[in-house]
Amino acid sequence: GAVVSQHPSWVICKSGTSVKIECRSLDFQATTMFWYRQFPKKSLMLMATSNEGSKATYEQGVEKDKFLINHASLTLSTLTVTSAHPEDSSFYICSARDPGQGGDTQYFGPGTRLTVL
Amino acid sequence: EDQVTQSPEALRLQEGESSSLNCSYTVSGLRGLFWYRQDPGKGPEFLFTLYSAGEEKEKERLKATLTKKESFLHITAPKPEDSATYLCAVALGGWGKLQFGAGTQVVVTP
Repeated sequence: GAVVSQHPSWVICKSGTSVKIECRSLDFQATTMFWYRQFPKKSLMLMATSNEGSKATYEQGVEKDKFLINHASLTLSTLTVTSAHPEDSSFYICSARDPGQGGDTQYFGPGTRLTVL
Repeated sequence: EDQVTQSPEALRLQEGESSSLNCSYTVSGLRGLFWYRQDPGKGPEFLFTLYSAGEEKEKERLKATLTKKESFLHITAPKPEDSATYLCAVALGGWGKLQFGAGTQVVVTP
């Protein structure tokens, strides 16, 4: 149980275009999902907290207009990187909190590698 | 300020050589401490959740323990497939967002 999927697993795009990444909880309903960014050989950095049916809460320093987050249902959250530039190239990982597992345990997706040319 | 510090940064072990990883934390009101394993190019894989001092959890060759200031991940008789980066995190705030340590990269050689 507690499986989280992400799509796509990797994407290459041109500078100035927008890219959408999907995060799905496959076998549980997640009222809260999280989006992280990870640079090579670094730990995970939280970008935003996404709650179903409400606006996302962004961490300090994360541009809301560049990283659009939508949590339309209890099993789906999306991250759209708008007007992407090479500095947005990174490994993006989502997680979902399973309330049935005792509260705060988060299960992570496999990640999406974004390369902006 | 909430902080999570992992040590050592890297650990090289011979197969069968047991060792321990440390995660020390300073947070106001611990909601939970989590251990994850991450392989290169993949998302973190959940290992353990610990909620209170004195709690211990085991899974195969791994055992996690928790005190009021730190947590240990003990690896007993490791195998090469235990090679990975092990991440420690604490849950903060109303939504339980995670703050991660920098991780310990473990390499187990045959």
